[in-house]
Amino acid sequence: NAGVMQNPRHLVRRRGQEARLRCSPMKGHSHVYWYRQLPEEGLKFMVYLQKENIIDESGMPKERFSAEFPKEGPSILRIQQVVRGDSAAYFCASSPDRVANYGYTFGSGTRLTVV
Amino acid sequence: DAKTTQPPSMDCAEGRAANLPCNHSTISGNEYVYWYRQIHSQGPQYIIHGLKNNETNEMASLIITEDRKSSTLILPHATLRDTAVYYCIVRVGGDYKLSFGAGTTVTVRA
Repeated sequence: NAGVMQNPRHLVRRRGQEARLRCSPMKGHSHVYWYRQLPEEGLKFMVYLQKENIIDESGMPKERFSAEFPKEGPSILRIQQVVRGDSAAYFCASSPDRVANYGYTFGSGTRLTVV
Repeated sequence: DAKTTQPPSMDCAEGRAANLPCNHSTISGNEYVYWYRQIHSQGPQYIIHGLKNNETNEMASLIITEDRKSSTLILPHATLRDTAVYYCIVRVGGDYKLSFGAGTTVTVRA
């Protein structure tokens, strides 16, 4: 019973390139949440997706960032034209339903370094 | 969500109980208390949560005061692998967002 899988674990991009981060939820989970952790800071909510729908993207920067969770395949967090300030750890969590009065399972994260 | 206050750091001897305090004096009646931890370079790990009753699982115990304004996470027999940042989070039941503060950095020493 695999947990939440994220890949790649480490990603290095030059300024101006695109970064694609993937998150495969736990089996049977159709809700995905992305969080970002800047260096020396706590995790911040970015976006909540259900299969084929963005439910809440209030924590996501308005420009250059997008997220999707297609009917088939993993959820993708895309960052276009990366800048040094995008360097951070990006974590996703999943749940089987929206009302989750229990603990989420998080993936191990993708560490993005922009050079 | 209610704000929480935690000490920035604490040390604990291996094999001893670690008692991690959290103050949430503005908590509402429908807000749960959650504890997560983050071991270096890993994703957050859920530990335990509760509403008003004390809770215990295989990892820890959660003691919530009667007025619910504070709580204590107890790791009964700390090991070196328990060294991590521990986050106390209050969240309205049914709300999907987690608000992580700075947490408490717990260092377990041999």
